[in-house]
Amino acid sequence: DVKVTQSSRYLVKRTGEKVFLECVQDMDHENMFWYRQDPGLGLRLIYFSYDVKMKEKGDIPEGYSVSREKKERFSLILESASTNQTSMYLCASRAQGSFNQPQHFGDGTRLSIL
Amino acid sequence: AQTVTQSQPEMSVQEAETVTLSCTYDTSESDYYLFWYKQPPSRQMILVIRQEAYKQQNATENRFSVNFQKAAKSFSLKISDSQLGDAAMYFCAYRSPNTGFQKLVFGTGTRLLVSP
Repeated sequence: DVKVTQSSRYLVKRTGEKVFLECVQDMDHENMFWYRQDPGLGLRLIYFSYDVKMKEKGDIPEGYSVSREKKERFSLILESASTNQTSMYLCASRAQGSFNQPQHFGDGTRLSIL
Repeated sequence: AQTVTQSQPEMSVQEAETVTLSCTYDTSESDYYLFWYKQPPSRQMILVIRQEAYKQQNATENRFSVNFQKAAKSFSLKISDSQLGDAAMYFCAYRSPNTGFQKLVFGTGTRLLVSP
């Protein structure tokens, strides 16, 4: 069965800290995604990656960066955390080329920036 | 750019009853994919049902079915014989095969409450 694992369910950090959110998938998927979920706004795409070391900006990349050194792992980095980055973060993965296949999601990380 | 609208922030239904969640979208493309995802309190997003735009037949998965009206750009989800376990946030999502790596565009979600 498909498995996307996010390293933390809950995380509390301080303003100005560098924050790493980790995501690992076990399906050998090429595509991986980071979303941010806020009430009334749905899910918004931050970054996605279509292969190792390859990345593309999504709709709200400001204040974030990503790293994909291995195919199974996709990291979201908050360079200098701010309170407006308090949110739920969801990671997803999908096989390349299968146009009607869904994205598979992790359980989410609820991040609080104090 | 494509947009997805879910106009019902919250819906309520009683067990065993039927409820319909609305979704409309805006696109100039003729071929695309539509999805309904469920997010229960456990938070993991689960695919409920998918529809390919070139297929006229409405998708069905057990108690879940869609009413896909391509001309009206409408993609509603019908849940029959509602169960307590159906309580969740439901998100409608659009995917174009032509945009980079098939990104999903999500609506803002509808919270479904199910009462005994």
